[in-house]
Amino acid sequence: DAGVIQSPRHEVTEMGQEVTLRCKPISGHDYLFWYRQTMMRGLELLIYFNNNVPIDDSGMPEDRFSAKMPNASFSTLKIQPSEPRDSAVYFCATRGGPGETQYFGPGTRLLVL
Amino acid sequence: SQQGEEDPQALSIQEGENATMNCSYKTSINNLQWYRQNSGRGLVHLILIRSNEREKHSGRLRVTLDTSKKSSSLLITASRAADTASYFCATNYNQGGKLIFGQGTELSVKP
Repeated sequence: DAGVIQSPRHEVTEMGQEVTLRCKPISGHDYLFWYRQTMMRGLELLIYFNNNVPIDDSGMPEDRFSAKMPNASFSTLKIQPSEPRDSAVYFCATRGGPGETQYFGPGTRLLVL
Repeated sequence: SQQGEEDPQALSIQEGENATMNCSYKTSINNLQWYRQNSGRGLVHLILIRSNEREKHSGRLRVTLDTSKKSSSLLITASRAADTASYFCATNYNQGGKLIFGQGTELSVKP
């Protein structure tokens, strides 16, 4: 298995632009998590899905952030409009079956200028 | 906040020495997990300990859990330069999938 796949790996954009981050979970995993990591705030859970349904989005910072999971193989995290304070590394992680381990993707390093 | 707190924030040791990292949390947990993050990479799961367990081993790793003190420790024995990374504890508070991560301990093992 290729593991959790995220794209792009790096993104540089200008303030005000729309940013879309993508995640392909490990096949068969029914939980998907989006995290954000910064030096100041550490690793924060933004939202998570179970069987493609959003379960807890209390970590989503504001309305500029949205996440979707249209099917079991794909999820997106969108920021519109982006701001410099959104600069961070965004991780997608998945979990499957009875196991409680989360498997992390390599992350997307986002820089908003 | 439910977030765990880890100490020390940074630890520097010589190869061959043992490294101990501690994690404290605030409310009752279902399980506690430790993850490692190499610079620029995603987190990798190391070990999980359930609330009814007190100690667990995996290779050179030993994890303890004291639910009365709401704390856990991760011991890495006979450390190697390749163990240099950040180590995070994460707590699960319910049957759902949500984990709350601590701020991490940055371990540096010098050859």
